Amino acid sequence: SYELTQPPSVSVSPGQTARITCSGDALPKKYAYWYQQKSGQAPVLVIYDDSKRPSGIPERFSGSSSGTKATLTISGAQVDDEGDYYCYSTDSTNNYVVFGGGTKLTVL
Amino acid sequence: QVQLVESGGGVVQPGRSLRLSCAASGFTFSSHGMHWVRQAPGKGLEWVAIISFDGRQKYHADSVKGRFTISRDNSKNTLYLQMNSLRAEDTAVYYCARDPENYFDGSDYYYGWYFDLWGRGTLVTVSS
Repeated sequence: SYELTQPPSVSVSPGQTARITCSGDALPKKYAYWYQQKSGQAPVLVIYDDSKRPSGIPERFSGSSSGTKATLTISGAQVDDEGDYYCYSTDSTNNYVVFGGGTKLTVL
Repeated sequence: QVQLVESGGGVVQPGRSLRLSCAASGFTFSSHGMHWVRQAPGKGLEWVAIISFDGRQKYHADSVKGRFTISRDNSKNTLYLQMNSLRAEDTAVYYCARDPENYFDGSDYYYGWYFDLWGRGTLVTVSS
């Protein structure tokens, strides 16, 4: 099987930069995707293909990937950005598609 | 309005069957691969299955292989998940989700293998 590892929680004050990491052995070869899930709601795609932002997603959301680590950065985090964030990718052979365990972002 | 709406969830006894539906609207359903993704209560996300735009190719996660079957009816803009031999560990919110890229090049199917549109989900509880 294949695993993506995320920190369980990240906490920042409003206006600060939040960084959420995702580690996986296949990330040098495979794109990372990021989903935001607010309490009781469906996930929303916020970053695709490592660093692209879907239409309607605020510019404060950005993504990057280097080596075996992908990073979601929220510049000037707002209280409304609180929720769970999941990275997602595939293994190098495309045999497994996996989500990371999720990171709870607290902005207070 | 571009949306996906799941239905069919409920409480079911272990070993029984259930069929979920996902109604698509606001986009060309027959042009997209579709997925099912589930989330157990208080847990993370787990990919369940994918089906090609024309329904000819399907893949299922090992955890549901042989028990669950994904299908679609493009004339009704609807995606399905037939769930048989249900277990307590299948208890989850089931989401349908759209794959943004799916095409056939004459010899193989290609997918984006990610999800750009999600429904609100339907809860399946397996309990005696």
